[in-house]
Amino acid sequence: SYELTQPPSVSVSPGQTATITCAGDALPRRHAYWYQQKSGQAPVLVIFEDIKRPSGIPERFSGSSSGTVATLTISGAQVEDEGDYYCYSTDLSDNGLFGAGTYVTVL
Amino acid sequence: EVQLVESGGGLVQPGGSLRLSCAASGFTVSSNYMSWVRQAPGKGLEWVSVIYKSGTTYYADSVQGRFTISRDDSRNTVYLQMNSLRGGDTAVYFCARGPTGPYFDFWGQGTLVTVSS
Repeated sequence: SYELTQPPSVSVSPGQTATITCAGDALPRRHAYWYQQKSGQAPVLVIFEDIKRPSGIPERFSGSSSGTVATLTISGAQVEDEGDYYCYSTDLSDNGLFGAGTYVTVL
Repeated sequence: EVQLVESGGGLVQPGGSLRLSCAASGFTVSSNYMSWVRQAPGKGLEWVSVIYKSGTTYYADSVQGRFTISRDDSRNTVYLQMNSLRGGDTAVYFCARGPTGPYFDFWGQGTLVTVSS
Protein backbone atom coordinates (compact mmCIF):
# COMPACT_ATOMS: atom_id res chain seq x y z
CA SER A 1 0.00 0.00 0.00
CA TYR A 2 1.02 3.61 -0.53
CA GLU A 3 3.10 5.25 2.20
CA LEU A 4 4.57 8.62 3.03
CA THR A 5 7.96 8.23 4.70
CA GLN A 6 9.29 10.75 7.22
CA PRO A 7 12.28 10.60 9.58
CA PRO A 8 11.14 9.87 13.15
CA SER A 9 13.03 12.76 14.68
CA VAL A 10 15.05 15.87 13.94
CA SER A 11 17.06 17.85 16.47
CA VAL A 12 18.44 21.37 16.06
CA SER A 13 19.77 24.19 18.20
CA PRO A 14 17.77 27.43 18.43
CA GLY A 15 18.40 29.58 15.37
CA GLN A 16 19.50 26.65 13.21
CA THR A 17 17.62 25.22 10.25
CA ALA A 18 15.46 22.13 10.65
CA THR A 19 14.68 20.10 7.53
CA ILE A 20 12.00 17.40 7.41
CA THR A 21 11.50 15.23 4.34
CA CYS A 22 8.47 13.31 3.18
CA ALA A 23 8.90 10.69 0.47
CA GLY A 24 6.05 9.23 -1.56
CA ASP A 25 5.75 7.82 -5.05
CA ALA A 26 2.62 9.86 -5.88
CA LEU A 27 4.04 13.22 -4.80
CA PRO A 28 4.99 14.23 -8.37
CA ARG A 29 1.22 14.17 -9.08
CA ARG A 30 -0.24 15.13 -5.71
CA HIS A 31 0.31 18.09 -3.41
CA ALA A 32 1.92 17.76 0.01
CA TYR A 33 0.63 19.45 3.15
CA TRP A 34 2.39 19.90 6.47
CA TYR A 35 0.87 19.98 9.95
CA GLN A 36 2.37 20.93 13.30
CA GLN A 37 0.94 19.29 16.39
CA LYS A 38 1.85 20.13 19.96
CA SER A 39 1.01 17.83 22.84
CA GLY A 40 -2.70 17.68 23.60
CA GLN A 41 -3.65 20.08 20.82
CA ALA A 42 -5.29 19.80 17.43
CA PRO A 43 -2.92 19.95 14.44
CA VAL A 44 -2.22 23.24 12.70
CA LEU A 45 -1.66 23.63 8.95
CA VAL A 46 1.75 25.23 8.30
CA ILE A 47 2.23 24.55 4.56
CA PHE A 48 -0.35 23.71 1.88
CA GLU A 49 -0.05 22.78 -1.79
CA ASP A 50 3.66 22.07 -1.39
CA ILE A 51 4.89 25.61 -0.95
CA LYS A 52 2.13 27.94 0.28
CA ARG A 53 2.06 29.32 3.80
CA PRO A 54 -1.30 30.08 5.49
CA SER A 55 -1.81 33.51 6.97
CA GLY A 56 -0.52 33.70 10.51
CA ILE A 57 2.22 31.11 10.00
CA PRO A 58 5.71 32.61 10.55
CA GLU A 59 7.89 33.14 7.48
CA ARG A 60 10.52 30.80 8.89
CA PHE A 61 8.31 27.90 7.75
CA SER A 62 8.72 27.04 4.07
CA GLY A 63 7.94 24.11 1.83
CA SER A 64 9.34 22.66 -1.36
CA SER A 65 8.81 19.60 -3.49
CA SER A 66 10.94 17.86 -6.06
CA GLY A 67 10.05 14.56 -7.63
CA THR A 68 8.98 12.08 -4.98
CA VAL A 69 10.17 14.13 -2.00
CA ALA A 70 8.47 17.06 -0.28
CA THR A 71 10.42 19.08 2.28
CA LEU A 72 9.45 21.29 5.20
CA THR A 73 12.14 23.74 6.30
CA ILE A 74 12.14 25.73 9.51
CA SER A 75 14.76 28.46 9.08
CA GLY A 76 15.96 29.83 12.39
CA ALA A 77 14.02 27.35 14.50
CA GLN A 78 12.61 28.62 17.78
CA VAL A 79 11.97 26.71 20.99
CA GLU A 80 8.24 27.13 20.41
CA ASP A 81 8.57 25.14 17.15
CA GLU A 82 9.12 21.91 19.09
CA GLY A 83 6.50 19.29 18.38
CA ASP A 84 5.33 16.68 15.93
CA TYR A 85 5.19 17.45 12.23
CA TYR A 86 3.14 15.36 9.81
CA CYS A 87 3.08 15.41 6.06
CA TYR A 88 -0.20 14.61 4.35
CA SER A 89 -1.20 13.85 0.79
CA THR A 90 -3.57 11.70 -1.22
CA ASP A 91 -2.90 8.61 -3.26
CA LEU A 92 -3.83 8.35 -6.92
CA SER A 93 -7.30 7.09 -5.89
CA ASP A 94 -7.83 10.25 -3.79
CA ASN A 95 -7.61 8.48 -0.44
CA GLY A 96 -5.84 10.53 2.18
CA LEU A 97 -2.83 9.48 4.20
CA PHE A 98 -0.37 10.92 6.69
CA GLY A 99 3.26 10.23 7.21
CA ALA A 100 4.16 8.68 10.57
CA GLY A 101 5.33 12.04 11.89
CA THR A 102 8.63 13.68 12.79
CA TYR A 103 9.34 15.01 16.27
CA VAL A 104 11.34 18.22 16.13
CA THR A 105 13.47 19.04 19.16
CA VAL A 106 14.88 22.55 19.50
CA LEU A 107 17.46 22.83 22.28
CA GLU B 1 -15.57 33.03 13.63
CA VAL B 2 -14.93 29.56 12.25
CA GLN B 3 -15.74 26.77 14.70
CA LEU B 4 -15.98 23.00 14.55
CA VAL B 5 -17.40 21.23 17.58
CA GLU B 6 -17.32 17.45 17.71
CA SER B 7 -19.58 15.41 19.96
CA GLY B 8 -20.84 11.87 20.39
CA GLY B 9 -17.69 10.16 21.62
CA GLY B 10 -17.64 7.84 24.60
CA LEU B 11 -17.11 4.29 25.77
CA VAL B 12 -18.58 1.51 23.63
CA GLN B 13 -18.20 -2.25 23.64
CA PRO B 14 -16.55 -4.11 20.78
CA GLY B 15 -19.08 -4.68 18.04
CA GLY B 16 -21.09 -1.65 19.07
CA SER B 17 -21.95 1.56 17.24
CA LEU B 18 -21.54 5.30 17.74
CA ARG B 19 -22.44 8.35 15.72
CA LEU B 20 -20.12 11.33 15.90
CA SER B 21 -21.34 14.82 15.05
CA CYS B 22 -19.37 17.84 13.91
CA ALA B 23 -21.30 21.10 14.17
CA ALA B 24 -19.84 23.89 12.08
CA SER B 25 -20.26 27.63 12.41
CA GLY B 26 -18.78 30.56 10.56
CA PHE B 27 -18.84 28.72 7.21
CA THR B 28 -20.99 26.31 5.22
CA VAL B 29 -20.07 22.61 5.28
CA SER B 30 -21.64 21.97 1.88
CA SER B 31 -19.19 24.43 0.30
CA ASN B 32 -16.16 22.66 1.73
CA TYR B 33 -14.48 19.27 1.82
CA MET B 34 -15.19 17.87 5.28
CA SER B 35 -13.06 15.10 6.77
CA TRP B 36 -12.60 12.96 9.83
CA VAL B 37 -9.10 12.23 11.09
CA ARG B 38 -8.29 10.12 14.14
CA GLN B 39 -5.38 9.71 16.50
CA ALA B 40 -4.96 6.68 18.71
CA PRO B 41 -3.42 7.34 22.14
CA GLY B 42 0.26 8.11 21.75
CA LYS B 43 0.16 7.48 17.99
CA GLY B 44 0.18 9.52 14.80
CA LEU B 45 -2.61 10.98 12.72
CA GLU B 46 -4.73 8.67 10.56
CA TRP B 47 -7.05 9.91 7.84
CA VAL B 48 -10.49 8.25 8.15
CA SER B 49 -12.94 9.69 5.64
CA VAL B 50 -13.89 12.70 3.51
CA ILE B 51 -17.09 14.02 1.97
CA TYR B 52 -16.63 16.28 -1.04
CA LYS B 53 -18.76 19.30 -1.85
CA SER B 54 -20.41 17.11 -4.49
CA GLY B 55 -21.32 14.52 -1.85
CA THR B 56 -18.76 11.98 -3.06
CA THR B 57 -17.23 10.07 -0.16
CA TYR B 58 -13.96 8.23 0.42
CA TYR B 59 -12.83 5.98 3.26
CA ALA B 60 -9.62 4.54 4.64
CA ASP B 61 -9.31 0.80 4.04
CA SER B 62 -9.34 0.27 7.83
CA VAL B 63 -12.91 1.60 8.13
CA GLN B 64 -14.38 0.85 4.70
CA GLY B 65 -17.71 -0.92 5.05
CA ARG B 66 -18.04 -0.08 8.77
CA PHE B 67 -18.04 3.74 8.85
CA THR B 68 -20.27 6.15 6.94
CA ILE B 69 -19.71 9.88 6.55
CA SER B 70 -22.65 12.16 5.83
CA ARG B 71 -23.76 15.73 6.25
CA ASP B 72 -26.98 17.60 7.03
CA ASP B 73 -26.85 20.90 5.20
CA SER B 74 -29.84 22.26 7.11
CA ARG B 75 -27.97 21.74 10.39
CA ASN B 76 -24.55 22.60 8.92
CA THR B 77 -23.30 19.41 10.52
CA VAL B 78 -21.18 16.47 9.42
CA TYR B 79 -21.58 12.99 10.88
CA LEU B 80 -19.56 9.81 11.16
CA GLN B 81 -21.61 6.68 11.75
CA MET B 82 -19.33 4.01 13.17
CA ASN B 83 -20.50 0.38 13.26
CA SER B 84 -18.82 -2.90 14.20
CA LEU B 85 -16.34 -1.02 16.36
CA ARG B 86 -13.07 -2.67 17.32
CA GLY B 87 -10.36 -1.95 19.88
CA GLY B 88 -8.21 -0.52 17.11
CA ASP B 89 -10.81 2.21 16.57
CA THR B 90 -10.03 3.71 19.98
CA ALA B 91 -8.83 7.24 19.26
CA VAL B 92 -9.54 10.94 19.41
CA TYR B 93 -11.62 11.74 16.34
CA PHE B 94 -11.10 15.16 14.77
CA CYS B 95 -13.38 16.86 12.30
CA ALA B 96 -11.59 19.09 9.80
CA ARG B 97 -12.38 21.47 6.94
CA GLY B 98 -10.80 21.66 3.50
CA PRO B 99 -11.74 24.85 1.65
CA THR B 100 -10.36 24.03 -1.79
CA GLY B 101 -9.57 20.33 -1.65
CA PRO B 102 -9.42 17.22 0.53
CA TYR B 103 -6.90 18.66 2.99
CA PHE B 104 -7.48 20.41 6.31
CA ASP B 105 -7.10 24.09 7.10
CA PHE B 106 -9.14 24.11 10.30
CA TRP B 107 -9.68 21.41 12.91
CA GLY B 108 -12.03 20.83 15.79
CA GLN B 109 -10.70 19.90 19.21
CA GLY B 110 -11.69 16.25 18.86
CA THR B 111 -13.88 13.73 20.66
CA LEU B 112 -12.56 10.58 22.32
CA VAL B 113 -13.92 7.18 21.33
CA THR B 114 -12.95 4.23 23.52
CA VAL B 115 -13.82 0.72 22.41
CA SER B 116 -13.49 -1.68 25.31
CA SER B 117 -15.42 -4.32 27.20
